[in-house]
Amino acid sequence: EVQLLESGGGLTQPGGSLRLSCAASGFTFSSYAMTWVRQAPGKGLEWVSDISGSSGRTNYADSVKGRFTVSRDNSKNTLHLQMSSLRADDTAVYYCAKTVYGGSYHIDYWGQGTLVTVSS
Amino acid sequence: SYVLTQPPSVSVAPGKTAKISCGGNNIGRKSVHWYQQKPGQAPVLAMYYDGDRPSGIPDRFSGSNSGNTATLTISRVEAGDEADYYCQVWDSSSDPPYVFGSGTKVTVL
Repeated sequence: EVQLLESGGGLTQPGGSLRLSCAASGFTFSSYAMTWVRQAPGKGLEWVSDISGSSGRTNYADSVKGRFTVSRDNSKNTLHLQMSSLRADDTAVYYCAKTVYGGSYHIDYWGQGTLVTVSS
Repeated sequence: SYVLTQPPSVSVAPGKTAKISCGGNNIGRKSVHWYQQKPGQAPVLAMYYDGDRPSGIPDRFSGSNSGNTATLTISRVEAGDEADYYCQVWDSSSDPPYVFGSGTKVTVL
């Protein structure tokens, strides 16, 4: 059974930093690209970042480029999102997700999410 | 960047059919994926590659994609289908490569 368990969310002040982690199990972690998707309170889904299975390729949304860094440790089946220079509009539930490619990428499994609140 | 347009809400009586549209420029040339999100829960894959159903999704759910509109259809709607539904496409030449629609709230009357 695929499981994705996020951690690291919480309350931080504007300009602060947080590091999210996602512990994966139930599949061969290194074989799959992974992605982060966030959802602001009462809003829709917004793609944040993704990383290839080998970590050779990363992509970021313009809204987080230069402030967020995605990484993974395939030896520990763990995905990370280092967030810095946080702003109020980064407040959201952050979901870790497993992606599948077959001509197009889509998400086949989602974690339960971790809430990040940026407020003074 | 590529834009996906969904109606904010769709209301349907139990037992009837709900159609959720997802509009985009020549979306018929792309693969469309759909996610269902119930209140307080993480999204769940509801349909992929236009019309393929993941295991666990009832066969009352179907999908189509042509021209400028993709559609998720829910037949014989049940109270448990009440949720937000999001369409999504991926395009390596687009920035961002993953694009989600704004979501449609399906209300069962």
